[in-house]
Amino acid sequence: DAGVIQSPRHEVTEMGQEVTLRCKPISGHDYLFWYRQTMMRGLELLIYFNNNVPIDDSGMPEDRFSAKMPNASFSTLKIQPSEPRDSAVYFCASTPQGAGGANVLTFGAGSRLTVL
Amino acid sequence: AQTVTQSQPEMSVQEAETVTLSCTYDTSESDYYLFWYKQPPSRQMILVIRQEAYKQQNATENRFSVNFQKAAKSFSLKISDSQLGDAAMYFCAFDETYNQGGKLIFGQGTELSVKP
Repeated sequence: DAGVIQSPRHEVTEMGQEVTLRCKPISGHDYLFWYRQTMMRGLELLIYFNNNVPIDDSGMPEDRFSAKMPNASFSTLKIQPSEPRDSAVYFCASTPQGAGGANVLTFGAGSRLTVL
Repeated sequence: AQTVTQSQPEMSVQEAETVTLSCTYDTSESDYYLFWYKQPPSRQMILVIRQEAYKQQNATENRFSVNFQKAAKSFSLKISDSQLGDAAMYFCAFDETYNQGGKLIFGQGTELSVKP
């Protein structure tokens, strides 16, 4: 398996532009997570899906952020309009649903976003 | 709310020596999982080790082991025979949704350097 695949690896954009980050989870994984990593706030969960349904989006910072999972093999995180404070590394992760508790997250390589 | 605290922003160890990274957490749950993740400069998040709270035995993975003290809510990582490739940022993480795998809360990280 190729693992969790994220694109783009790097994105530089100007304030006000729309940004779309993409993620392909590992086949067969039921859960998909979007995390954001910044120096100030560390790693924080933005939203997660179970079987393509958003379960908890309480970490989404504001209405400028939206995430979708139209099918089991694809998810997007969109920022519109982008602001300099959105600059961060955005990780996607997935895990299979198992009995008895937590499973190990497999992370993608991350998308580094810079908003000028 | 559950929190994870890593009190050592930076640590240094001599190659072949042993180092221990500290982590404490706060929760009212009795069943949960704890993790250590490694993030090298490539920024890929890599699982190092996992501990299930209901297991008294400390987890071990080759040169990596944990000291899990449930009553004290402490979860330290010991790296034996340190290698240059161990240099990375290490994150302690707590799974607060025992049956919904993967909603991790991360500590702020400890940057480990390994001296040759």
